Amino acid sequence: GAGVSQSPRYKVAKRGQDVALRCDPISGHVSLFWYQQALGQGPEFLTYFQNEAQLDKSGLPSDRFFAERPEGSVSTLKIQRTQQEDSAVYLCASSSPNGDRAYEQYFGPGTRLTVT
Amino acid sequence: ELKVEQNPLFLSMQEGKNYTIYCNYSTTSDRLYWYRQDPGKSLESLFVLLSNGAVKQEGRLMASLDTKARLSTLHITAAVHDLSATYFCAVDTPYDYKLSFGAGTTVTVRA
Repeated sequence: GAGVSQSPRYKVAKRGQDVALRCDPISGHVSLFWYQQALGQGPEFLTYFQNEAQLDKSGLPSDRFFAERPEGSVSTLKIQRTQQEDSAVYLCASSSPNGDRAYEQYFGPGTRLTVT
Repeated sequence: ELKVEQNPLFLSMQEGKNYTIYCNYSTTSDRLYWYRQDPGKSLESLFVLLSNGAVKQEGRLMASLDTKARLSTLHITAAVHDLSATYFCAVDTPYDYKLSFGAGTTVTVRA
């Protein structure tokens, strides 16, 4: 497909469980971002990759959150020992420095995480 | 810390009338973005504004940017029902590309 894809689309986890959320960016996009969107709020930045390098993880709310992009393409956001406050939609976005829409971020459909 | 403020947060529009959403941001920024989000859906890019005085229009929507005032506006002309959605503005910082979003303006268009 031509767009950013994310899986799963919905995830229900019991408090204390670990979860892994996957993002497939647009092919060739070097930059990849993760955002967290709580209900009724705007998205908030979590972390940013340029190729396989994680250049900014200042938005990760705790050390229970971990993200990786080992081959510079697919990325995984992992949340350990989930808590109720982790319930949110997790959005992935990708961008390219090239072309007439350089640096514009394209968003995936998101993963809605509910922690019970 | 880059702050982005939108107002109003909720906007009830009457079909056929004109309205404006305002977006203020707190520091110098290279680019300002407007996104639309329908309930349960992801973000759809509407406009990217790259310079002072930039104006872009698509259908009934027009966005403008005043970098000196750190203000962008999204103007809606002759509102129609299918414009009902939440609209977000976002800016990125001069040194990296992470987006800082406003809280969003939820628009409801009534007959």
